[in-house]
Amino acid sequence: DAKTTQPPSMDCAEGRAANLPCNHSTISGNEYVYWYRQIHSQGPQYIIHGLKNNETNEMASLIITEDRKSSTLILPHATLRDTAVYYCIVLSGSARQLTFGSGTQLTVLP
Amino acid sequence: NAGVTQTPKFQVLKTGQSMTLQCAQDMNHEYMSWYRQDPGMGLRLIHYSVGAGITDQGEVPNGYNVSRSTTEDFPLRLLSAAPSQTSVYFCASSYRATRLSGNTIYFGEGSWLTVV
Repeated sequence: DAKTTQPPSMDCAEGRAANLPCNHSTISGNEYVYWYRQIHSQGPQYIIHGLKNNETNEMASLIITEDRKSSTLILPHATLRDTAVYYCIVLSGSARQLTFGSGTQLTVLP
Repeated sequence: NAGVTQTPKFQVLKTGQSMTLQCAQDMNHEYMSWYRQDPGMGLRLIHYSVGAGITDQGEVPNGYNVSRSTTEDFPLRLLSAAPSQTSVYFCASSYRATRLSGNTIYFGEGSWLTVV
C-alpha cells in the first residue's frame, strides 16, 4: 500500500470548514483512499473513501486531485465533537488490513 | 461502528491467566480482524479471517489464537497473558474479503485489557 503523509496537527474554528490534507504520491491505479477518525481511544470511525472521483456523504467530502497524488478531507461545518485524530489510508486491492499511520490531530476551537 | 460488538469492554488479568475477547457482527461480513493499539501508537493487525474456518496471521500474532467457526463471531484468545499484552483491542469487519479495498471496514468500540 502507498505511504501517506499528513500534518501532525491542525486547528479549526467551530462552524468553519476543516480541510485536512493528505499526500499519497506513490498511489497506484487500483488503490483507494480512505479516511477514518478516532476520538479519544474509541474505535476508529469510518468517514469516507474514494478512488478517482470526488465523494460526498453526510459526514464529509473527499477531494482527490486529478493525478491522485493527494487528497483533502473536508468537514463542512466543524463542531467540537469533530476533535479527533484523522487518518488517511491508501488501500490496495490485495490488502488484508488497514495500515494506520500517525494521522492528523484536529482540534476544533470554540 | 455499526454492528460490530466487542465484549468485555474492560478487563484486568493477572500474568499467566488466559481469556477470550469476543467479537460479533450481524452484517453477514466475510472479513473480520483483530487489531491492538498501544498508548500513543497506531493500530497493528493481530489476526484476520476471510470467512468461516479461514484465519491468518497479521503483523503481531504471537501470544494470540483465533478461530472462526461461524460468520458472525471471531473470538481472540490470550493463551497466557503477559504485561506486554496490555493494550486496547479493536475488532473490525467488512462485507467482502476477496477485495477489501473499495468496501467499508467497520470497527468495534474496543476492549481495554490490563495485564498485571
